[in-house]
Amino acid sequence: SAVISQKPSRDICQRGTSLTIQCQVDSQVTMMFWYRQQPGQSLTLIATANQGSEATYESGFVIDKFPISRPNLTFSTLTVSNMSPEDSSIYLCSVEETLGGGEKLFFGSGTQLSVL
Amino acid sequence: SQQGEEDPQALSIQEGENATMNCSYKTSINNLQWYRQNSGRGLVHLILIRSNEREKHSGRLRVTLDTSKKSSSLLITASRAADTASYFCATADTGRRALTFGSGTRLQVQP
Repeated sequence: SAVISQKPSRDICQRGTSLTIQCQVDSQVTMMFWYRQQPGQSLTLIATANQGSEATYESGFVIDKFPISRPNLTFSTLTVSNMSPEDSSIYLCSVEETLGGGEKLFFGSGTQLSVL
Repeated sequence: SQQGEEDPQALSIQEGENATMNCSYKTSINNLQWYRQNSGRGLVHLILIRSNEREKHSGRLRVTLDTSKKSSSLLITASRAADTASYFCATADTGRRALTFGSGTRLQVQP
């Protein structure tokens, strides 16, 4: 199973600044997913990142706010731009692997972001 | 928008008791999965049940799926304090690669 290293694990940022979250996988994967988990809530998909193409964003998320890079099959970054307190959340990267009839997700340990 | 709704939102039981969590969804699915999250960190995959399966077991976990009712349940038998966590169902919707997560159940197992 894939091992995912995500960093930073947590950060406290000032309003108006940007933070880039890195996700490194120990194997080559086609698709990587970025999720947001607001306090006490479930996970919401931000975007799907494929190597060599533009990320596909979900409704309510735009590239200017959450630019994503996917330079190769083992690495991706998510930037949270021009942050406001409403961006305070846990951000999670994940990759999928096929197992027993379906794709299951492996997750990084998450980045807990607090915006002041 | 949230596809899956889970109930209860929170559950507190004593060690040794069984815990049952339910999940409902709205669309056609390929499979349904359950994940566990400790203290707001990364999720861990527990079990996957395909749309043509009705029941699946893995250790102390038992999952059922009723596609006619668009619902699933996760049973944890003989619970332990270490089972304390949030549990999420997630559906692989037909025609869509990414998973859609339910609202989650926070389970507290008292020692």
